[in-house]
Amino acid sequence: GDSVTQMEGPVTLSEEAFLTINCTYTATGYPSLFWYVQYPGEGLQLLLKATKADDKGSNKGFEATYRKETTSFHLEKGSVQVSDSAVYFCALRGVVANDYKLSFGAGTTVTVRA
Amino acid sequence: DGGITQSPKYLFRKEGQNVTLSCEQNLNHDAMYWYRQDPGQGLRLIYYSQIVNDFQKGDIAEGYSVSREKKESFPLTVTSAQKNPTAFYLCASTMGGQGPGGSPLHFGNGTRLTVT
Repeated sequence: GDSVTQMEGPVTLSEEAFLTINCTYTATGYPSLFWYVQYPGEGLQLLLKATKADDKGSNKGFEATYRKETTSFHLEKGSVQVSDSAVYFCALRGVVANDYKLSFGAGTTVTVRA
Repeated sequence: DGGITQSPKYLFRKEGQNVTLSCEQNLNHDAMYWYRQDPGQGLRLIYYSQIVNDFQKGDIAEGYSVSREKKESFPLTVTSAQKNPTAFYLCASTMGGQGPGGSPLHFGNGTRLTVT
């Protein structure tokens, strides 16, 4: 079945450092890919998404490119801030018609220090 | 403002008791989901419902039950049969269709259940 593998955390960075969180997936066809962010004590919020190969999703300085050849969707940000401290989840939606559930990775905890 | 409301935020129960977690949405979304979140395991799907009066088991449905009598409500009951019920429970919803990849999931702020 569909699955998502994320790099394990926790990740600790200094402010203005470069952030990469690796995400690879296993799925048939061309799934849709998502990054969600969870701030302490809250639910998840959509950060960005990509729905076809070579699409680049971007939001709030974060980017991720849908790479079909490497089945990857790595999240990057060039200069992190303390406010980026959160848990980040990579997720996949399969290609079955009318099936909108997501499969999530284990989450990566990111802490940014001033 | 539209959104998903989960209540209560914190819930404490004694072992052997059933407990029901509330999830209400005013987004007019067709599909609703319950996920369980445990440290280091990400989110695992418990149950989901794509239309009123219909629902399907997710990956870890044992020990849980749901109902979907109204479009806006999808309560989750954690029964005494659930071996490790202490966790953070998240409810989500989506419109479904709406273009490539479908519309995103919208999440509530979760209920933290502690069973002792």
